[in-house]
Amino acid sequence: QKEVEQNSGPLSVPEGAIASLNCTYSDRGSQSFFWYRQYSGKSPELIMFIYSNGDKEDGRFTAQLNKASQYVSLLIRDSQPSDSATYLCALETGANNLFFGTGTRLTVIP
Amino acid sequence: DTEVTQTPKHLVMGMTNKKSLKCEQHMGHRAMYWYKQKAKKPPELMFVYSYEKLSINESVPSRFSPECPNSSLLNLHLHALQPEDSALYLCASSHEGNTDTQYFGPGTRLTVL
Repeated sequence: QKEVEQNSGPLSVPEGAIASLNCTYSDRGSQSFFWYRQYSGKSPELIMFIYSNGDKEDGRFTAQLNKASQYVSLLIRDSQPSDSATYLCALETGANNLFFGTGTRLTVIP
Repeated sequence: DTEVTQTPKHLVMGMTNKKSLKCEQHMGHRAMYWYKQKAKKPPELMFVYSYEKLSINESVPSRFSPECPNSSLLNLHLHALQPEDSALYLCASSHEGNTDTQYFGPGTRLTVL
């Protein structure tokens, strides 16, 4: 049974603050983890992927992976109103299979 | 070019109609995917094609029929759908699958009356 858990939110942060999004998963065999952003009515857009334990930074975004504790997180620094969206955590579950969490809705308040 | 295109953007059909959704990518990707997404839910995998062969069918009803005519094109044929099949249908592609990043198209918003 594969499970990916995310707080559904909504998570509200003021503009300029750090938004912290968390995801836990049950499948210890998963090796690759992805964060997608999805605006209402639009398709998912890749933000970051991470394969190795530790941190990976890309601009204002930092993904953190801890395989021993089975969690992956996404930090958004200097949050902007345009970051308001649903953030989907996803993990690969074997050949060609991507399994999504239910998503966290983020609202950045101007 | 990192674009996956889908047509049509919107589709309204009756339960007796036959229609097709189309997806195209020119990134040289060899894996293509169909997902279904209901409102406020995550995408759910329906089908995976790898090197133009169906590799995953997630127990999808036979009223959905995928087709991969070549490595750039993916179709989803629809027949005798139910109102509960109304959803956003997303196509995605990746280089070869497994740990490769999937890129999504804009989706087709399907309404079944």
